[in-house]
Amino acid sequence: GAGVSQTPSNKVTEKGKYVELRCDPISGHTALYWYRQSLGQGPEFLIYFQGTGAADDSGLPNDRFFAVRPEGSVSTLKIQRTERGDSAVYLCASSLKPTDTQYFGPGTRLTVL
Amino acid sequence: GESVGLHLPTLSVQEGDNSIINCAYSNSASDYFIWYKQESGKGPQFIIDIRSNMDKRQGQRVTVLLNKTVKHLSLQIAATQPGDSAVYFCAESDPYGGATNKLIFGTGTLLAVQP
Repeated sequence: GAGVSQTPSNKVTEKGKYVELRCDPISGHTALYWYRQSLGQGPEFLIYFQGTGAADDSGLPNDRFFAVRPEGSVSTLKIQRTERGDSAVYLCASSLKPTDTQYFGPGTRLTVL
Repeated sequence: GESVGLHLPTLSVQEGDNSIINCAYSNSASDYFIWYKQESGKGPQFIIDIRSNMDKRQGQRVTVLLNKTVKHLSLQIAATQPGDSAVYFCAESDPYGGATNKLIFGTGTLLAVQP
């Protein structure tokens, strides 16, 4: 079956602009996670959704970052007033239940010029 | 992601040899551990997991060993193939994350398989 998909695969933007990154989880997976991976590092947790609600947003670096999952499936990560330090690969993962294996998408590579 | 090998620990093996990738985890309260494989330009791919009530688990060509005494995890790959070349990450479930199951990833090890 289809895995986790993310769009766009690459996004180049200018400092100060707003971006949206989309994640389509595996069908039926109730848990959805966003992680960020900087060059040469492991992924770092940003936010977790159980269903439609953000159950844990403790990893969001500041209030420029926000995510939604209005219908409990697709999620959008939104970054306002982007900064060069936001450049990274943004990964989405989903699992059937929170205690189950997390399956990752291919990521969106964000470059802020 | 791409170019993650620049500053990563590297393990270089010959095709057909066995590989052992090691990982030290941080929290003695962690009870769930996972190994992921990440090829250049792709997301992490699940390989195998283990819970703290076990010390060994086997999959196809892979074995994970857990030593809770010294907080050490290892991934053994039998008969390593060129397609195994990638960055390997160990991850632990944050024991203080409540019901979230957010993962804490290690630095990663680049496995380079020589033909």
